Amino acid sequence: NFMLTQPHSVSESPGKTVTISCTRSSGSIASNYVQWYQQRPGSSPTTMIYEDNQRPSGVPDRFSGSIDSSSNSASLTISGLKTEDEADYYCQSYDSGNRWVFGAGTKLTVL
Amino acid sequence: QVQLVESGGGVVQPGRSLRLSCAASGFTFSSFGMHWVRQAPGRGLEWVAVIWYDGSNKYYAESVKGRFTIARDNSKNTLYLQMNSLRAEDTALYYCARDVGATDIGGDYWGQGTLVTVSS
Repeated sequence: NFMLTQPHSVSESPGKTVTISCTRSSGSIASNYVQWYQQRPGSSPTTMIYEDNQRPSGVPDRFSGSIDSSSNSASLTISGLKTEDEADYYCQSYDSGNRWVFGAGTKLTVL
Repeated sequence: QVQLVESGGGVVQPGRSLRLSCAASGFTFSSFGMHWVRQAPGRGLEWVAVIWYDGSNKYYAESVKGRFTIARDNSKNTLYLQMNSLRAEDTALYYCARDVGATDIGGDYWGQGTLVTVSS
């Protein structure tokens, strides 16, 4: 099995761009799709990116996803930061046993 | 629009059982894999189980294997989670989530969750 490692927290100012990384411990990041979920305090998760870089309808194009095989990581980039983007963000992939694997989550502070 | 509504949570003693339900609407339920994901208070997301679109395959987290059973009734557009031999560490908010496809890639829609508290 593998783990997904995310930074515990990141912070940035409104209007700026922030990137949250998600590094896979073993096996290729490109082997299995990566999803990104946003969870605001007291709310259910919301899918921001699926299948590495696809945005569900209704998700602003300020949110983008990518993978980098050289660092074996996925990234969520949020541009034009807004205070409403302040939330926990989780990456997720799946293993060979068809089980989802979540990162521990990254707390984004927009200050 | 897609809606997932969980129910069945509550307070239960250790060792007892509970069945959660997730009523789906707004999409062709029988075409999508469905998952249960839980979140203990103040903790991150933990995947629990998945059932494929037709019920042919089911997979579980090691932490619940042998105690929990995922099921679905495509005629009723409903997902279930039968939880037996509950432990204190099963205390969490349980979400159902729709997969982006027929099997188990990732979620695209989530319910609001139902709280399970295991305590004597």
